[in-house]
Amino acid sequence: GAVVSQHPSWVICKSGTSVKIECRSLDFQATTMFWYRQFPKQSLMLMATSNEGSKATYEQGVEKDKFLINHASLTLSTLTVTSAHPEDSSFYICSAPRTGTRGYGYTFGSGTRLTVV
Amino acid sequence: GENVEQHPSTLSVQEGDSAVIKCTYSDSASNYFPWYKQELGKGPQLIIDIRSNVGEKKDQRIAVTLNKTAKHFSLHITETQPEDSAVYFCAAIPDSNYQLIWGAGTKLIIKP
Repeated sequence: GAVVSQHPSWVICKSGTSVKIECRSLDFQATTMFWYRQFPKQSLMLMATSNEGSKATYEQGVEKDKFLINHASLTLSTLTVTSAHPEDSSFYICSAPRTGTRGYGYTFGSGTRLTVV
Repeated sequence: GENVEQHPSTLSVQEGDSAVIKCTYSDSASNYFPWYKQELGKGPQLIIDIRSNVGEKKDQRIAVTLNKTAKHFSLHITETQPEDSAVYFCAAIPDSNYQLIWGAGTKLIIKP
């Protein structure tokens, strides 16, 4: 089946530094990647939608300069948390629909636990 | 826009009993309703889904029912086992786009 590989699974960084999270589609082409943030005991909150070869679309309230998304190829999308602060600590998850299955067959990465100290 | 409500927020059942989680949606144009299971520290995994042209779907111990008129859908887990303990999310996809609209989640606890 379709697999999205997400790395790292967890990361601890100092305040002010940047962290990059990668999501790779291993056996399909991900023209679209959704990036979510999840706080403890809460549902997934969509942050942005990236499309290969074009600028990402950010949800209202999400700072695009802080959460840089790059979708340079059909198999790789990255999220960079810039100048991280403790309030950015969260669980970040990527997800991609399989090509040709509009809206269906979403595959999720395993998530990245970011802790900013 | 679409809004998905999910109940209960926590469900505790005895091992071997059945568990039912319910969701309602607001956009009658929504046509796809997946259910995800999320274990602690992991990403969601699709366990079953249903499309709007189907009323019920079953996969071993898991079933989903959809009532389009009432705009609600439910997840049924029979003969629950300890490994069923997790957080379950329902979702809907409005016909206007293919973003998942998530329910708030249900923490399912299976008591031994």
